[in-house]
Amino acid sequence: EAQVTQNPRYLITVTGKKLTVTCSQNMNHEYMSWYRQDPGLGLRQIYYSMNVEVTDKGDVPEGYKVSRKEKRNFPLILESPSPNQTSLYFCASSLRSDSSYEQYFGPGTRLTVT
Amino acid sequence: AQKVTQAQTEISVVEKEDVTLDCVYETRDTTYYLFWYKQPPSGELVFLIRRNSFDEQNEISGRYSWNFQKSTSSFNFTITASQVVDSAVYFCALSEGDKIIFGKGTRLHILP
Repeated sequence: EAQVTQNPRYLITVTGKKLTVTCSQNMNHEYMSWYRQDPGLGLRQIYYSMNVEVTDKGDVPEGYKVSRKEKRNFPLILESPSPNQTSLYFCASSLRSDSSYEQYFGPGTRLTVT
Repeated sequence: AQKVTQAQTEISVVEKEDVTLDCVYETRDTTYYLFWYKQPPSGELVFLIRRNSFDEQNEISGRYSWNFQKSTSSFNFTITASQVVDSAVYFCALSEGDKIIFGKGTRLHILP
């Protein structure tokens, strides 16, 4: 089944404790992206990747890191999480290397930072 | 800078009524793409439609229709004969080059 998977689905952590949210897609998509969803703010793009080893900042990249060492994986790293990073995170992938095609979204990861 | 505005934060209609969700965008590019996504109460994000800036034809898919007007920079979404299952948050999005901007979403309640 074609899908985007994220792990973990739920995470409660403390301020400053490094964490990684994994994202994997099995559709051989070139474009991958991370978003955060906050009430009243919609979805905001954190980072995106056009292909392996090619990443760039979205609108809210502060406090996050990403890497794209393999085409299928695009982990989101929070080196020192803070409470303002409490949010619902979505990973997505898309067929082409730009953003012109529809995104396929993962199920979401709800992160709470205390 | 690109921007997507969904002015309707929340809408409630009675089942079987028609409802239109508005989306207004800003972009300096001549080539861009517009999308609508649905987020039902279960939380997943589901793609509904994609439209490029050179195709202004309206589109109909069952009870759903989309009206794209470049002259007013709008890409509105209409649900005809709404059903309770249409209750969801709907997002409009604009892609320009490599980035994607989403609107803040419209929460639609369909009342039985």
